[in-house]
Amino acid sequence: GDSVTQMEGPVTLSEEAFLTINCTYTATGYPSLFWYVQYPGEGLQLLLKATKADDKGSNKGFEATYRKETTSFHLEKGSVQVSDSAVYFCASRDDKIIFGKGTRLHILP
Amino acid sequence: DAGVIQSPRHEVTEMGQEVTLRCKPISGHNSLFWYRQTMMRGLELLIYFNNNVPIDDSGMPEDRFSAKMPNASFSTLKIQPSEPRDSAVYFCASSPRGGGGETQYFGPGTRLLVL
Repeated sequence: GDSVTQMEGPVTLSEEAFLTINCTYTATGYPSLFWYVQYPGEGLQLLLKATKADDKGSNKGFEATYRKETTSFHLEKGSVQVSDSAVYFCASRDDKIIFGKGTRLHILP
Repeated sequence: DAGVIQSPRHEVTEMGQEVTLRCKPISGHNSLFWYRQTMMRGLELLIYFNNNVPIDDSGMPEDRFSAKMPNASFSTLKIQPSEPRDSAVYFCASSPRGGGGETQYFGPGTRLLVL
């Protein structure tokens, strides 16, 4: 069945470092892909999404490109801030949504 | 817009008691989802509704769990009887339509502790 695999955390970086969180998916169809972010004590909220191959989603300095050839949707940010500390979830949705296990990100000042 | 509203925000109960979690989706949204989040298992989809009709309940762990959506603005998730292993954060989410690609909007969650 469909699945989403993302890199295990926690990931710890210094402020202004470059961030990559890897995400790959398996699907029989052509899913839409999402990154959600969860701040402490809150529910998930959409960070960005892409609905077809080669689309790039972007928001708040984060980017991810839908790569059909590598079935990937890696999250990147050029310069992270302490306020980016959170848990990040990759997700795919075809007939139903499937979330990865989440990657906890710690940014040190 | 008030967003997805969940109540209670925190619940502490004893094993064997009935627990009812409540959710009010965003007005106009046609799909509603219930999730459970634990450290061990991550985020699990329990059940989702389209236009108040349950579409997929394959994630409901066992018969002790039941969910209803009597109208477009209200849903409940009930656990009877509750067990310590049900301790988790339960999220409700809604989305505008049932098709692929739609963003889900999550509520703040109900943190459940079963003693």
